[in-house]
Amino acid sequence: GEDVEQSLFLSVREGDSSVINCTYTDSSSTYLYWYKQEPGAGLQLLTYIFSNMDMKQDQRLTVLLNKKDKHLSLRIADTQTGDSAIYFCAETYLSGGYNKLIFGAGTRLAVHP
Amino acid sequence: EAEVAQSPRYKITEKSQAVAFWCDPISGHATLYWYRQILGQGPELLVQFQDESVVDDSQLPKDRFSAERLKGVDSTLKIQPAELGDSAMYLCASGLAGADEQFFGPGTRLTVL
Repeated sequence: GEDVEQSLFLSVREGDSSVINCTYTDSSSTYLYWYKQEPGAGLQLLTYIFSNMDMKQDQRLTVLLNKKDKHLSLRIADTQTGDSAIYFCAETYLSGGYNKLIFGAGTRLAVHP
Repeated sequence: EAEVAQSPRYKITEKSQAVAFWCDPISGHATLYWYRQILGQGPELLVQFQDESVVDDSQLPKDRFSAERLKGVDSTLKIQPAELGDSAMYLCASGLAGADEQFFGPGTRLTVL
């Protein structure tokens, strides 16, 4: 079945770039998403990429998509302490005529001075 | 900015008691989702509504969980009786009909003692 895998933890120094990686299984996914979750809060949509794109840039965020390898990455430039959170990769899949999201387990990003 | 509202934000209950969570989606969003997020994991879909109809409840433990969206607007998720393993964050999300993008509420953190 559909599956999304992420590394569980990433630690970076403030000001450096962070790269969070994700692999997925459903090659028919239309969109792939990155969500951010701060402690005790819901999920905030950060960015997404359409499956026919290779790259999308949005201010400090860059999403790279390698469809052949089913690999998605999120790069955060000039990482700040406010970026400390859990980042979830999600793929869409069609089931029963409706689009659904399947999430990875999340990558905890820790930013230290 | 329109947001998904959930209440309560926190709930502590004893096992075998009944609990209920409420969700008010963004106005105009026909699709409503309830997810369960166990600590350290990504959200897992429990039930999906299209207007007032359930379109997917395959992962809902129907012996103890129920969900309704009587007028196709707000929704209630109930657990009766609660078990220790139900301790988790319960997230509600909504989206436009036919669209992939989902907007999440802040969640209800349930602790079962």
